[in-house]
Amino acid sequence: KAGVTQTPRYLIKTRGQQVTLSCSPISGHRSVSWYQQTPGQGLQFLFEYFSETQRNKGNFPGRFSGRQFSNSRSEMNVSTLELGDSALYLCASSYWGVRDSSGNTIYFGEGSWLTVV
Amino acid sequence: DQQVKQNSPSLSVQEGRISILNCDYTNSMFDYFLWYKKYPAEGPTFLISISSIKDKNEDGRFTVFLNKSAKHLSLHIVPSQPGDSAVYFCAATGGSEKLVFGKGTKLTVNP
Repeated sequence: KAGVTQTPRYLIKTRGQQVTLSCSPISGHRSVSWYQQTPGQGLQFLFEYFSETQRNKGNFPGRFSGRQFSNSRSEMNVSTLELGDSALYLCASSYWGVRDSSGNTIYFGEGSWLTVV
Repeated sequence: DQQVKQNSPSLSVQEGRISILNCDYTNSMFDYFLWYKKYPAEGPTFLISISSIKDKNEDGRFTVFLNKSAKHLSLHIVPSQPGDSAVYFCAATGGSEKLVFGKGTKLTVNP
């Protein structure tokens, strides 16, 4: 079955602009999480959505936002881009969440590489 | 405050030998732990997980050990293969969907 699909894979933006990243989860998955990966901070949790509702939120400023649609696809938006927002943004999906008694867990996409210049 | 620590940035082992990757955590609320493998330009791939009610979980060549009193877990890969060369991340969670990741250990398995 198809994995988690993220678009675009690579993009370059200018400081002050805004960006929208898209994530299509594995078919049937209802939970979508977003993570930011940078060399200095590693992988950091942004937020998680389940059935169109934000269930969990990380410690990022309000410039970072997201949403989930009725088909479980998710988007994240970063407004007023800063140089420090340059990172790999990873989306992950699962049926119910991180832990699943049936052995499923979260599966990551390949990420969207954002460069802010 | 780094709640999940992988103190070895890199590890090199010979093919066929055991690879042991270590992870320490500070938050006693963590009750579920996962290991992921990551190749360059790819997303992390799930390897194995363990709940805090267990102290060991095996899946093929991969075994994770959890020592709750020491707040320490380790991933054993036996036997190590060149294809195991990647960055390994330890992650933890406690009652929410937020995974807290360590900064990773780069494993190199030499033929």
